[in-house]
Amino acid sequence: DAKTTQPTSMDCAEGRAANLPCNHSTISGNEYVYWYRQIHSQGPQYIIHGLKNNETNEMASLIITEDRKSSTLILPHATLRDTAVYYCIVRVGRAAGNKLTFGGGTRVLVKP
Amino acid sequence: GAVVSQHPSWVICKSGTSVKIECRSLDFQATTMFWYRQFPKQSLMLMATSNEGSKATYEQGVEKDKFLINHASLTLSTLTVTSAHPEDSSFYICSAVLSGGGSYEQYFGPGTRLTVT
Repeated sequence: DAKTTQPTSMDCAEGRAANLPCNHSTISGNEYVYWYRQIHSQGPQYIIHGLKNNETNEMASLIITEDRKSSTLILPHATLRDTAVYYCIVRVGRAAGNKLTFGGGTRVLVKP
Repeated sequence: GAVVSQHPSWVICKSGTSVKIECRSLDFQATTMFWYRQFPKQSLMLMATSNEGSKATYEQGVEKDKFLINHASLTLSTLTVTSAHPEDSSFYICSAVLSGGGSYEQYFGPGTRLTVT
């Protein structure tokens, strides 16, 4: 699976949009971009995923560049409960046995 | 939907004893589950892939005789840490794969914190 690069940490203000970047310059054509987050001492929570097109759900938006070498997760209105470690993962294909390889992630602190 | 539970949420055991951790998919069936381990201030490390009705596949460096995995039903996988030692103290997390409509998403349990004294 392609490796991803994320900032180690970032702060954002409550109520403002949080933009979390991820570089995946070696991504292959059949690899999807996934985002998970892990709140302290809990299991990871799925946020969103995409292949080529931008995606949006009730939690976040995912913007993937046209060359697919980078993406941005957008939390539209950050709340204190969004404080967590956010993981950007690229995963081959879509099959039950396909693994998720977690990197270091971005530690996001939402401040009042 | 897509809820995964783990039991126990935390456990303390003495060195040399064995501990069993359960992972259940509560509202869906999962032919594939994964087990991860996470040490403090580190990321999740995949330990093994658990497939219902067959032997687990272990990642390189994970001792299969020490970390016994049983996926006996479509909703339950268990991880047994045998002859636990203090270095096995960690946060153990499972995930279950929800299959449907061509999608295979992993949903994670809340984790089990193991402390070996």
